[in-house]
Amino acid sequence: NAGVTQTPKFQVLKTGQSMTLQCAQDMNHEYMSWYRQDPGMGLRLIHYSVGAGITDQGEVPNGYNVSRSTTEDFPLRLLSAAPSQTSVYFCASSFLKTSGAHNEQFFGPGTRLTVL
Amino acid sequence: SQQGEEDPQALSIQEGENATMNCSYKTSINNLQWYRQNSGRGLVHLILIRSNEREKHSGRLRVTLDTSKKSSSLLITASRAADTASYFCATDEGDAGNMLTFGGGTRLMVKP
Repeated sequence: NAGVTQTPKFQVLKTGQSMTLQCAQDMNHEYMSWYRQDPGMGLRLIHYSVGAGITDQGEVPNGYNVSRSTTEDFPLRLLSAAPSQTSVYFCASSFLKTSGAHNEQFFGPGTRLTVL
Repeated sequence: SQQGEEDPQALSIQEGENATMNCSYKTSINNLQWYRQNSGRGLVHLILIRSNEREKHSGRLRVTLDTSKKSSSLLITASRAADTASYFCATDEGDAGNMLTFGGGTRLMVKP
C-alpha cells in the first residue's frame, strides 16, 4: 500500500494564480481531510469529506474548493492564490467514525506552497 | 478557535529524562488522539484514548485523560534523542460533527 500520497511536494505560485493540490489514498478510507500548517503552529482544518460526493467546510475554508468524485481522490483547489495561503498542506484519511469517534488518521507527506 | 491546546509550547530535556506534555480542550469528546511530527514530515499517530478510559500505555508512552478537567497528558519515559519532534493532540466535537481538530503542539527537544 502506498498509503496517502500528495503531489506536488513543492510549489511556488504568483498571486492570483490557481492550482490543484492532489491527494490520493489506497486504503479504502471514507473520511478524507485537508489541513494547513503555518510555521510553528498546529494544523487547521480546511475541508473534509465523509465519502464520495460529500464534502464540508472546516475551520478555514475561504479561498479553497474541494470535490470528492471517488473514494480514493480528494483534490484541493486554490482559486486565486494569495500570500496568506503560503503554508504546508497536509491531506489525511481514515475510516469513518466508529461509535461516534474518529479513528486513527493517516497523513500524507505534505505539499509546501509559497505564494509570491 | 482550536479545540485542543498543548502545554508547554516547547520543552527541552536530557536523554533519559521523562517528558510530559498536556492538552486541554473545550467541549465534550468521544476520544482524544496524540500524534508526533518529525521536522518536515507528516503526522504519525501515536495513541488513542476513549472518553471512558482514564489511562493508556503503549511502549514508553503513557496517556491519561481527565474528562472532568477536559485535559489529557502524554508522558514519554526514558526519552531518547530520536523522540525529538512536535507532539499534537487531536479531538473531535463529541456528537456535534465530523471535524477533527488539532492543537498547536509541543516542540520537544531531547539532548543527547
